[in-house]
Amino acid sequence: EPEVTQTPSHQVTQMGQEVILRCVPISNHLYFYWYRQILGQKVEFLVSFYNNEISEKSEIFDDQFSVERPDGSNFTLKIRSTKLEDSAMYFCARGTGNYGYTFGSGTRLTVV
Amino acid sequence: DQQVKQNSPSLSVQEGRISILNCDYTNSMFDYFLWYKKYPAEGPTFLISISSIKDKNEDGRFTVFLNKSAKHLSLHIVPSQPGDSAVYFCAAINSGGSNYKLTFGKGTLLTVNP
Repeated sequence: EPEVTQTPSHQVTQMGQEVILRCVPISNHLYFYWYRQILGQKVEFLVSFYNNEISEKSEIFDDQFSVERPDGSNFTLKIRSTKLEDSAMYFCARGTGNYGYTFGSGTRLTVV
Repeated sequence: DQQVKQNSPSLSVQEGRISILNCDYTNSMFDYFLWYKKYPAEGPTFLISISSIKDKNEDGRFTVFLNKSAKHLSLHIVPSQPGDSAVYFCAAINSGGSNYKLTFGKGTLLTVNP
């Protein structure tokens, strides 16, 4: 199984700017997820993506967030207008069919 | 709303001894439980899991115990090794849900001293 790779590993952005976090490669899996971990806190579910559409989202995943699978292999999380409290590690994951997940190494987003 | 609780933020043990990491849950719909291990600057890595129809699952040095009536599970690592030092997350799934969403605890930092 190929690893889940996330880019960039670290992103610093100004408050109010848009960021796009990428997850590659994704191949032949049905379930994809984004989670995040604010420093010192638990890993939180953001959104699940099944069959090319959002299947569930948390209350964190408001209108500022969107996900896409633009070309069948990339899976992106966009934050339209970043806030300071969006600073966190963002993890992409794919379902492996046995309730286990394979997580990417994460993107550290710092909003200044 | 903490549905999965890991009440010990940290644990320190000596190499060769047993490490016991605890986890409690409140949602009775959870029926599958997983432990993940996380090193700094890496994503969580799956370690071991257990279905609610079992009370024990063993994989090498790692054993997970589930007490459904108490809504409690624990991860035993024996013997502990310095390379086991990491943050351990307990996670739960309601397999009746369609998305296999993981609900995580806050994690326990395990330090194994040589």
